[in-house]
Amino acid sequence: EIILTQSPVTLSLSLGERATLSCRASQSISRYLAWHQQKPGQAPRLLIYDASNRAAGIPARFSGSGSGPDFTLTISSLEPEDFAIYYCQQYTNWPITFGQGTRLELK
Amino acid sequence: EVQLVESGGGLVQPGGSLRLSCAASGFSFSNYAMSWVRQAPGKGLDWVSTISGRAVNTYYADSVKGRFTISRDNSTNTLYLQMNSLRAEDTAVYYCAKDDHGYLRPIDSWGQGTVVTVSS
Repeated sequence: EIILTQSPVTLSLSLGERATLSCRASQSISRYLAWHQQKPGQAPRLLIYDASNRAAGIPARFSGSGSGPDFTLTISSLEPEDFAIYYCQQYTNWPITFGQGTRLELK
Repeated sequence: EVQLVESGGGLVQPGGSLRLSCAASGFSFSNYAMSWVRQAPGKGLDWVSTISGRAVNTYYADSVKGRFTISRDNSTNTLYLQMNSLRAEDTAVYYCAKDDHGYLRPIDSWGQGTVVTVSS
């Protein structure tokens, strides 16, 4: 099973700041990584797939990068609606796995 | 617009059974693999199972293998999860999810979830 480790566990930032979230896989997963955002009481939402492709309707301030074991989700300038939990998901092989999440909170 | 609406959750005793359903609309259902993902209270996302578009292939997490069965009815655009021998650790919100087109692709749409509570 591929383990995804996200860091930091919690990230405290202010509006307008840049957020950098990391996801490290226990083995190479090429670029088969997605990022999902989940707000309290809501279902998750796909943000990024194949490491760097934005899903439909996702604002350009969200970007993804990386390959192999190390990936990054960047939010260029934080908006109020961006404070949420972010999960990475690998789909290289079964079982599909998720990281434990990074909580992005307002400082 | 993709819509996924789960139903069938509830309170069940340990050892009991429950069947979840997910009504799908807004896309060509039989062309896409579908998954179930769960989230225990205060915890992260946990993949449960995936079924291919034509229901030829099914995949399960080790934690539910032999107890849960995923199935689909492409004539009614409905996804199912039959859960038997339920345990307290199966308590979670269960999300129905649509996978992107192709084999081993990311989840691209999520339902709102249905709550399953296993308790005596």
